[in-house]
Amino acid sequence: GENVEQHPSTLSVQEGDSAVIKCTYSDSASNYFPWYKQELGKRPQLIIDIRSNVGEKKDQRIAVTLNKTAKHFSLHITETQPEDSAVYFCAGGSARQLTFGSGTQLTVLP
Amino acid sequence: GAGVSQSPRYKVAKRGQDVALRCDPISGHVSLFWYQQALGQGPEFLTYFQNEAQLDKSGLPSDRFFAERPEGSVSTLKIQRTQQEDSAVYLCASSLAKNIQYFGAGTRLSVL
Repeated sequence: GENVEQHPSTLSVQEGDSAVIKCTYSDSASNYFPWYKQELGKRPQLIIDIRSNVGEKKDQRIAVTLNKTAKHFSLHITETQPEDSAVYFCAGGSARQLTFGSGTQLTVLP
Repeated sequence: GAGVSQSPRYKVAKRGQDVALRCDPISGHVSLFWYQQALGQGPEFLTYFQNEAQLDKSGLPSDRFFAERPEGSVSTLKIQRTQQEDSAVYLCASSLAKNIQYFGAGTRLSVL
């Protein structure tokens, strides 16, 4: 089955700086890679996703890159704001099953 | 529109009790997923339905766990003879197209 590893587990940045979270996956058949943001006690919310036929996708301050050859993908958040503080999860898989990483606690310091 | 709704939000059970957790997906969503999220961890896949058919139950940890979706909408996750290691947040997600899964707020199960 799929195995997704996520790093770092915690990340602190100054407001306005960029944050990068990295994930690797093991199953070359995986074709869908979403990123979810989860605030304490709340539901995971999709912030961006990328499919295997695309190398990069951007939505305002958030971007995701995918390297299929190396089997890794990354989340980039620019101009971070305190409200970006949360746990971020990457996931890999398909329409039928997603495997999640263990999460990154992002803290944006004012 | 309404999102994925789960009930109850919190459930306390004594060890050995049976529990039933409910998920109301977004109307019209064909696919429904159950996940288990332990404290400080990512969601772990339990099972997947397409309409009323349970197409994948490979993530269910034991035969004490059972899920159903008899009419292709509401789903119930049942855990028999609960154990302390079953304590977790149980998340439900539904999907219509393009793989995008929308999550409910979860049920926090505490087994004493």
